[in-house]
Amino acid sequence: QSALTQPASVSGSPGQSITISCTGTSSDVGSYNLVSWYQQHPGKAPKLMIYEVSKRPSGVSNRFSGSKSGNTASLTISGLQAEDEADYYCCSYAGSSTFWVFGGGTKLTVL
Amino acid sequence: EVQLVESGGGLVQPGGSLRLSCAASGFTFSSYEMNWVRQAPGKGLEWVSYISSSGSTIYYADSVKGRFTISRDNAKNSLYLQMNSLRAEDTAVYYCAREEGATPDYWGQGTLVTVSS
Repeated sequence: QSALTQPASVSGSPGQSITISCTGTSSDVGSYNLVSWYQQHPGKAPKLMIYEVSKRPSGVSNRFSGSKSGNTASLTISGLQAEDEADYYCCSYAGSSTFWVFGGGTKLTVL
Repeated sequence: EVQLVESGGGLVQPGGSLRLSCAASGFTFSSYEMNWVRQAPGKGLEWVSYISSSGSTIYYADSVKGRFTISRDNAKNSLYLQMNSLRAEDTAVYYCAREEGATPDYWGQGTLVTVSS
């Protein structure tokens, strides 16, 4: 069982928006603005899409956005495209002993 | 371009040992903290171990403490993970990940470790 809770799957049609939630605790998501999101295509390495809750690395589309409220973080993808179909994982820093905790992953299907 | 290339995975019997390597390029390796993260087949990601840029500070997940040893050679731009007393539950793809501001930003392609008799 993963430390952070994500829905197992979400789906949307091209052009629509979807949101993936990531629920942790006051020891991780709720304590640090160090939530990141990763996109992983089958057999590939995770790719950083959002860091520090809402910041986008250079080169990542502005269709991807992040937010946080209390112990829950969210990733929103607007204007869904076929290439967005992938697994998405959230990650939160959880202190100097536990370090990073991850969600179980959400499979995004673009219908 | 940042590149991280893992190697050393394979099939090993329970109780056996394996040493993973991660070759880094495209950035000043000695300036970055590094981590190992693993992903069991069909499962989510799990943080395994951390090492500071100088190698002086190290942390492990409870699940591997006492069995795994992380190390680095900044002169060779390489990160290592010595895995001893391997168990079936250690079966996973192992990724090395660079850390920037407490965030894993770049990941390698991973190397598969299978523990089975």
